[in-house]
Amino acid sequence: GAVVSQHPSWVICKSGTSVKIECRSLDFQATTMFWYRQFPKQSLMLMATSNEGSKATYEQGVEKDKFLINHASLTLSTLTVTSAHPEDSSFYICSASHRGYEQYFGPGTRLTVT
Amino acid sequence: GDSVTQMEGPVTLSEEAFLTINCTYTATGYPSLFWYVQYPGEGLQLLLKATKADDKGSNKGFEATYRKETTSFHLEKGSVQVSDSAVYFCALSDTNTPLVFGKGTRLSVIA
Repeated sequence: GAVVSQHPSWVICKSGTSVKIECRSLDFQATTMFWYRQFPKQSLMLMATSNEGSKATYEQGVEKDKFLINHASLTLSTLTVTSAHPEDSSFYICSASHRGYEQYFGPGTRLTVT
Repeated sequence: GDSVTQMEGPVTLSEEAFLTINCTYTATGYPSLFWYVQYPGEGLQLLLKATKADDKGSNKGFEATYRKETTSFHLEKGSVQVSDSAVYFCALSDTNTPLVFGKGTRLSVIA
């Protein structure tokens, strides 16, 4: 089956610094990638949808200047959390799909901001 | 908009018990329906899916049938194991739209 990887799997950073999370589709071309955020013991909250080569579409309430999403190629999307603060600590999960078909999820990245 | 409602957890069962996790949905179109499983500290894995009414998805002993008349997609397993302990998410997706998830149901299976 299709494989999606995320890197890093976990990261600890200091408040005020920026963190970049990568999401890669390893064996298929991901025309669309999704970024989700999951708080402990809660469901996934969609943050944004990105199509290759175009700007991401952010969900209401998600700060686009804080969560920068880039989808520069058909196999890579990045999420950069800028000027991170402790309230940004969360589990970030990406998923990828090819032309609107099934989404494949990455293993997630746990971000802890101290 | 589209939405998914699944039963509140946590659900605690003894090994070999029968499992049902209820899921109902509302959608304007004809969505595909999914069950995802999340083991502790991991991302989501697709467990099973159904793309049209009356389809039955099955995997690893789990089953769910797409019931359009009751707008339901209940997850069942005849005999759960300790290794099935996880959080289960029901979800739907119309073509080219992001997945809409239920809130998740935590299952704990005790030996």
